[in-house]
Amino acid sequence: DAKTTQPPSMDCAEGRAANLPCNHSTISGNEYVYWYRQIHSQGPQYIIHGLKNNETNEMASLIITEDRKSSTLILPHATLRDTAVYYCIVRVKSGGGADGLTFGKGTHLIIQP
Amino acid sequence: DAGVTQSPTHLIKTRGQQVTLRCSPKSGHDTVSWYQQALGQGPQFIFQYYEEEERQRGNFPDRFSGHQFPNYSSELNVNALLLGDSALYLCASSFWLGSRDEQYFGPGTRLTVT
Repeated sequence: DAKTTQPPSMDCAEGRAANLPCNHSTISGNEYVYWYRQIHSQGPQYIIHGLKNNETNEMASLIITEDRKSSTLILPHATLRDTAVYYCIVRVKSGGGADGLTFGKGTHLIIQP
Repeated sequence: DAGVTQSPTHLIKTRGQQVTLRCSPKSGHDTVSWYQQALGQGPQFIFQYYEEEERQRGNFPDRFSGHQFPNYSSELNVNALLLGDSALYLCASSFWLGSRDEQYFGPGTRLTVT
């Protein structure tokens, strides 16, 4: 799996959009970008994933640059409950089953009231 | 629809002892993965079980072993506990033939080794 680089921490004001960057300059053509988050004292939670097109779901949007060397997770209207550690993971999409995920240290996002 | 459940929530053990942690997967899931999360670190993959067999393993010694039962629930066993085994142990479930790498995590078991 390709290596990812994320800032260790970020602040965002409540109600504003939170933009979390991730660099993955060694990403291969068949590797996807996945985002998970972990709220304090809970297990990680899947957010979104994408290959090369921008993706949106009820939780967030994922913007992947054209060269696929970086991506941004966007929480459009951050709330205090979005305070968590956000993990960017790059991996080949599994065929059968879901293989072990490789987590880095992630970005600790703090939403300020 | 019950999510992933783990027991116990907290556990204190002494060095050298053995421990067993338990996990019930989300309804409809047949694959269970275990992770270890040390304080301040991201989760580290231990191993994955499907059809009662270990399918994939991370970089963990064989003191760490597991089992999956016919009802898809799973156990994680750790022998000869070391102080460094103190961590949050997370269980994640998924569907083997699913098309998404979306793993559902339980709340974890906090193990303290003294």
